[in-house]
Amino acid sequence: EAGVVQSPRYKIIEKKQPVAFWCNPISGHNTLYWYRQNLGQGPELLIRYENEEAVDDSQLPKDRFSAERLKGVDSTLKIQPAELGDSAVYLCASSYLAVNEQFFGPGTRLTVL
Amino acid sequence: AQTVTQSQPEMSVQEAETVTLSCTYDTSESDYYLFWYKQPPSRQMILVIRQEAYKQQNATENRFSVNFQKAAKSFSLKISDSQLGDAAMYFCAGNNAGNMLTFGGGTRLMVKP
Repeated sequence: EAGVVQSPRYKIIEKKQPVAFWCNPISGHNTLYWYRQNLGQGPELLIRYENEEAVDDSQLPKDRFSAERLKGVDSTLKIQPAELGDSAVYLCASSYLAVNEQFFGPGTRLTVL
Repeated sequence: AQTVTQSQPEMSVQEAETVTLSCTYDTSESDYYLFWYKQPPSRQMILVIRQEAYKQQNATENRFSVNFQKAAKSFSLKISDSQLGDAAMYFCAGNNAGNMLTFGGGTRLMVKP
């Protein structure tokens, strides 16, 4: 069984540029999570989806961040425009229902110059 | 859990020896899980072990076991017979009703040959 897939693995951009991250969860997992992990810290939840509905996005900086999960499968997280402080690893995780173990992808390391 | 604290930024253990990583938490949830995740340099978060808060028996997974002290809100991880492959960042985490994880700041474990 394939795990959670994320792309790209690395992204380097200039500040004020837009950037997007893609996540493909494990087949059959209806719950999807986006986390941000700053250097030397634990991940922090940004948003949680149940199917195509964002059920908790209270930690998502909505002025520049947006996310979507069309058809309740793949998800995209976007930042526009990026700021220096957005440099971090963005992790995607999925689970079958919102009560079970979360499986994480390898993350996307974003560097904003 | 709403707050998770790991007080040991780094730990070191000799190969084949035993090491204990500490974690304390605070939560208003009555029913919750606690987790230990391993994150090697590849960035993939891997679940090591989990504990259901209502279970008094400490969880065990091969060389990994926990000491769950609910009244003290303590959740430590013991690694027996340490191996070189155990070297990684270890994160303690707890979930809330929506299964959203709150992570501690992590402990870097080094294993000396």
